[in-house]
Amino acid sequence: DTAVSQTPKYLVTQMGNDKSIKCEQNLGHDTMYWYKQDSKKFLKIMFSYNNKELIINETVPNRFSPKSPDKAHLNLHINSLELGDSAVYFCATARGVYSPLHFGNGTRLTVT
Amino acid sequence: QQQVKQSPQSLIVQKGGISIINCAYENTAFDYFPWYQQFPGKGPALLIAIRPDVSEKKEGRFTISFNKSAKQFSLHIMDSQPGDSATYFCAARGAGYNNNDMRFGAGTRLTVKP
Repeated sequence: DTAVSQTPKYLVTQMGNDKSIKCEQNLGHDTMYWYKQDSKKFLKIMFSYNNKELIINETVPNRFSPKSPDKAHLNLHINSLELGDSAVYFCATARGVYSPLHFGNGTRLTVT
Repeated sequence: QQQVKQSPQSLIVQKGGISIINCAYENTAFDYFPWYQQFPGKGPALLIAIRPDVSEKKEGRFTISFNKSAKQFSLHIMDSQPGDSATYFCAARGAGYNNNDMRFGAGTRLTVKP
């Protein structure tokens, strides 16, 4: 039973499209995150959300928006996709903001 | 600005050998230093972590060595096995800060040859 699951695993789409990536966790953790891993494997935080507060990394374009329908889900919506958005996106959770991160297996987004 | 510098970028070790990955940080406010292991097609997973009040932490074949004065820490993998082949990330988080301010190194791709 996967603790942090993301769908889809692969996403290929054209420039200008709008897409969503879903994340679900069954760990009961309070805080969820979205990370971006670029082609050089560099990990960078995009958002964190703990059902009270959304913290957005200031470098993330406003085309990206997280949506949390409930405590177990944090979905990532991306509008007007660009070539540079191609990357692997990871959802992660933590019991608290100071607790270790638990990552999902990632969604590889390819924008053509 | 990359606050955590990791080296080497890639490492090839024979089975049974010792793998050593080094990280250096700049911000003296960092007080939590985890290492993550990532296999292809998977997300990073916490391997081992240390706080600066100790100079070494060992869990099985994995050891973190920490040098506060030099602002450096390293991961040692003893008796390296082919199953250890993965990408390893060091990270650092500041005192009073949280995962939003976790800074990752650029990663080291380890290959253990049989």
